[in-house]
Amino acid sequence: AQRVTQPEKLLSVFKGAPVELKCNYSYSGSPELFWYVQYSRQRLQLLLRHISRESIKGFTADLNKGETSFHLKKPFAQEEDSAMYYCALSIQGAQKLVFGQGTRLTINP
Amino acid sequence: GAVVSQHPSRVICKSGTSVKIECRSLDFQATTMFWYRQFPKQSLMLMATSNEGSKATYEQGVEKDKFLINHASLTLSTLTVTSAHPEDSSFYICSAGLARTDTQYFGPGTRLTVL
Repeated sequence: AQRVTQPEKLLSVFKGAPVELKCNYSYSGSPELFWYVQYSRQRLQLLLRHISRESIKGFTADLNKGETSFHLKKPFAQEEDSAMYYCALSIQGAQKLVFGQGTRLTINP
Repeated sequence: GAVVSQHPSRVICKSGTSVKIECRSLDFQATTMFWYRQFPKQSLMLMATSNEGSKATYEQGVEKDKFLINHASLTLSTLTVTSAHPEDSSFYICSAGLARTDTQYFGPGTRLTVL
């Protein structure tokens, strides 16, 4: 069965420090992975998707099929990065998403 | 672009009554809409997938007679919680998908409180 695991419920780093939010997945098909972010009192929004291979707000994520991971990274965290981050897996052909439990990232000044 | 709205944003009802939540795609046509439920400090759990003009597909464990979904047009899907009970209190979120993509755009959510 498909599953997305985010092992850290909470992550706290200081401003300017590197940040890595971990995501591992389990899926027998060809994975398509996403990171969604939810800022305080705002709706869930797409941050980035692996097929785009782009950097959004300084964040990048590389799909590692060998390790079945899609960790989100940013070299220098900023206070405005504080939010809830969800890793999600798209089920091929079904257009539906399976979400991880989420990681609450707090950037300390 | 790609804005999804939900109405109402917050609703309080008495146990035993039914509540309807609307989800609209404002500037695009959504062939598929999704309904999620989110408990406090937990992740989103998919309840059902709604395709325009056809019956919704419910996830395992979700009662289709309890959570009625209608997707009558390409811009509107509704979720009706029938005979609501306090355990149905939750945050309900819809999303709309663009055709032939895996991208979903999320609504702001509706907080349902059943007394």
